[in-house]
Amino acid sequence: DADVTQTPRNRITKTGKRIMLECSQTKGHDRMYWYRQDPGLGLRLIYYSFDVKDINKGEISDGYSVSRQAQAKFSLSLESAIPNQTALYFCATSELGQFNEQFFGPGTRLTVL
Amino acid sequence: QKEVEQDPGPLSVPEGAIVSLNCTYSNSAFQYFMWYRQYSRKGPELLMYTYSSGNKEDGRFTAQVDKSSKYISLFIRDSQPSDSATYLCAMSRGYGQNFVFGPGTRLSVLP
Repeated sequence: DADVTQTPRNRITKTGKRIMLECSQTKGHDRMYWYRQDPGLGLRLIYYSFDVKDINKGEISDGYSVSRQAQAKFSLSLESAIPNQTALYFCATSELGQFNEQFFGPGTRLTVL
Repeated sequence: QKEVEQDPGPLSVPEGAIVSLNCTYSNSAFQYFMWYRQYSRKGPELLMYTYSSGNKEDGRFTAQVDKSSKYISLFIRDSQPSDSATYLCAMSRGYGQNFVFGPGTRLSVLP
């Protein structure tokens, strides 16, 4: 089984709808991250959490919210989706370390019409 | 100016070629440098990492950091079709700090 899983893998929705993307991990890591990937822009950090009680905004948090339900679960919500949130979304986990190696999930392809 | 720049490619090379992938950055505080490889429809995975300036070799892969020029490189020797992927550079300011990723270079190695 994959160490970092994301659901759904693909989602098409309409403008204004609320969407939740879920991430689960079995690596036992405290740190979890949500990124979005757009062509030409690379991976940009949306939110990150260093433990269950810690939530931090990343580079592009506007229009998004997160919930850290447990050490192993970190959800990303789009309260009212808009077309420019169409992107590939990745969850990642890491331990605290020198290189803070991040382990990524397979991604969720989200299309907002 | 973006904090980390990377030629997006695509870069197409014949099998067996030496490939050079590069990133430039503007923040002199970066100390930890990483290369991630991302296959199509997959999440990125760590390929190599280096601290500060210098070289690091791992099999067919060599990572170089030149902090004075704010320039990092990844060399792939004897490239294989299985090396076809997007290569992302990433860097951080310190121990446990978050990464800043480059936009990635798409590489195709043709048989």
